[in-house]
Amino acid sequence: DTAVSQTPKYLVTQMGNDKSIKCEQNLGHDTMYWYKQDSKKFLKIMFSYNNKELIINETVPNRFSPKSPDKAHLNLHINSLELGDSAVYFCASSRPGPGNTIYFGEGSWLTVV
Amino acid sequence: QKEVEQNSGPLSVPEGAIASLNCTYSDRGSQSFFWYRQYSGKSPELIMSIYSNGDKEDGRFTAQLNKASQYVSLLIRDSQPSDSATYLCAVNSPGGFKTIFGAGTRLFVKA
Repeated sequence: DTAVSQTPKYLVTQMGNDKSIKCEQNLGHDTMYWYKQDSKKFLKIMFSYNNKELIINETVPNRFSPKSPDKAHLNLHINSLELGDSAVYFCASSRPGPGNTIYFGEGSWLTVV
Repeated sequence: QKEVEQNSGPLSVPEGAIASLNCTYSDRGSQSFFWYRQYSGKSPELIMSIYSNGDKEDGRFTAQLNKASQYVSLLIRDSQPSDSATYLCAVNSPGGFKTIFGAGTRLFVKA
């Protein structure tokens, strides 16, 4: 069983469209994250949720809206896609608190054309 | 100043040599430090975590932490071509809900 799974793995879409990426973890973790890795491979945190509540929002444009229906799921919806949104989006999870390892999903490759 | 800084490399070492990867961080309150490895096209995977000053060894890998100097390093002994990847240094914020990654160091191990 995949510990952190996200879908779709690849997504090609036109500018201006709206798209969603879904994420589920079966590790029993309370904390989930979205990270963005750009073309320069820099991995940057976007959002952090703990037990369905938003904890961290790293000044991400409000076109990005995360939703956590329960603590095992964290979805990412993106409105009005722009060329600069092209990146790999990683979902991840961990136990809450410092010192806990983050486990990543396989990533969703988003290309905006 | 970036929160977590690494030399982007690439770092090239011959097979069997020791690879040394370095990282500095800016938040003195940080308590937890990690090294992740990322192969091209794959997700990051944890290699080691370290929380106390000093060295921590796991097989061919040794992590070193010096909180006074805000410095973390990773040594890879007997480097193998399969170690060729990008190595990401990560630091957990004092609150625990934010792990910040460095830009990564690309390592090439030549056979």
